[in-house]
Amino acid sequence: NAGVTQTPKFQVLKTGQSMTLQCAQDMNHNSMYWYRQDPGMGLRLIYYSASEGTTDKGEVPNGYNVSRLNKREFSLRLESAAPSQTSVYFCASSKTGKGSNQPQHFGDGTRLSIL
Amino acid sequence: QQQVKQSPQSLIVQKGGISIINCAYENTAFDYFPWYQQFPGKGPALLIAIRPDVSEKKEGRFTISFNKSAKQFSLHIMDSQPGDSATYFCAADYTGGFKTIFGAGTRLFVKA
Repeated sequence: NAGVTQTPKFQVLKTGQSMTLQCAQDMNHNSMYWYRQDPGMGLRLIYYSASEGTTDKGEVPNGYNVSRLNKREFSLRLESAAPSQTSVYFCASSKTGKGSNQPQHFGDGTRLSIL
Repeated sequence: QQQVKQSPQSLIVQKGGISIINCAYENTAFDYFPWYQQFPGKGPALLIAIRPDVSEKKEGRFTISFNKSAKQFSLHIMDSQPGDSATYFCAADYTGGFKTIFGAGTRLFVKA
């Protein structure tokens, strides 16, 4: 049981390049999330998808786009990378639905450096 | 009002000692408070969680204490071990919500 799988694990980009981070979960979860983790700032939500077919902005959506390709897959795209987007990106999923709380299950992250 | 404030930023504890991490929140709509543990190079993983209808929850060496009136909650790690060395995040969420709010994290180092 793989859980949440993120690819790639590491990436170096030049300013202005574009890139898509991939995420897939095999737990049949409804909700999926993209976070960025920066030192001293915890985890900040970029975008989330409450269920297949829906996406919504989180706390720091500027400069990013997302696609919920199907129930399993949720991708994050940087259209024109900037040095401020250097971070560790985590994808997560949960069984959350209205009226319930379920913990989030995280992938092991993508470490992205933008020069 | 959406913030969760976590302290300390870092903590060094001797093996066998008690590690204590504190968090405070503002939004009284929060009704689910998980703690996550993160090892270097890995994603966070759920450690223990509590709802505000109880004042304490214990799982093995890990205990959450919850003070609803003060809007504070804390994680206690008893008999801390070097293997507990990790970053710990408190978080807050509410029923039907999709925007879990995370604290800034505490880096715990347990000295052997």
